[in-house]
Amino acid sequence: GESVGLHLPTLSVQEGDNSIINCAYSNSASDYFIWYKQESGKGPQFIIDIRSNMDKRQGQRVTVLLNKTVKHLSLQIAATQPGDSAVYFCAENIGSSYKLIFGSGTRLLVRP
Amino acid sequence: NAGVTQTPKFQVLKTGQSMTLQCAQDMNHNSMYWYRQDPGMGLRLIYYSASEGTTDKGEVPNGYNVSRLNKREFSLRLESAAPSQTSVYFCASLAGGYEQYFGPGTRLTVT
Repeated sequence: GESVGLHLPTLSVQEGDNSIINCAYSNSASDYFIWYKQESGKGPQFIIDIRSNMDKRQGQRVTVLLNKTVKHLSLQIAATQPGDSAVYFCAENIGSSYKLIFGSGTRLLVRP
Repeated sequence: NAGVTQTPKFQVLKTGQSMTLQCAQDMNHNSMYWYRQDPGMGLRLIYYSASEGTTDKGEVPNGYNVSRLNKREFSLRLESAAPSQTSVYFCASLAGGYEQYFGPGTRLTVT
């Protein structure tokens, strides 16, 4: 079936560097994408979203890029901080179903 | 404003026992969801309720039942627990658009 997946299961970065977390999706009908952050022992927390009619969206220290040609989504975190250490999930929504399909996650480790 | 709350936080069951996981939200959201998360994996949708009085199956509904008691509450029931249902269960509710707010999770172990 259709799925959302991630290229790298674990990403280790130096504090202060920029982080890039990637996600591939397979359903060309997906029209909405979200990035979630999940800290240990907690539920996922919304970070940023993007609609399929956009290719870039910026938030505070985070940027999401969408390349529909290759069905690729990325999350960029600027000046990565220890508090950014977590598992990051991309999720997609297809049509107006209000259901999200989650990828398997990437663990981000920030080295001091 | 507590957001999404879940009870219990932890539970250990023996195979064949039943239990109900409770979820409540105080944000007046229409849609609510139940997910399970297995170690090292993403979330998989069990059931969801688009609005009060309606429920629909997600990706992995077998072995579960749900009740949308009212707009605030959405419960998940395991009638006869199996070891394969050992997981962390998350409840979520939907704000405007597609942003889902998640509860803190219930860690369930079935022995």
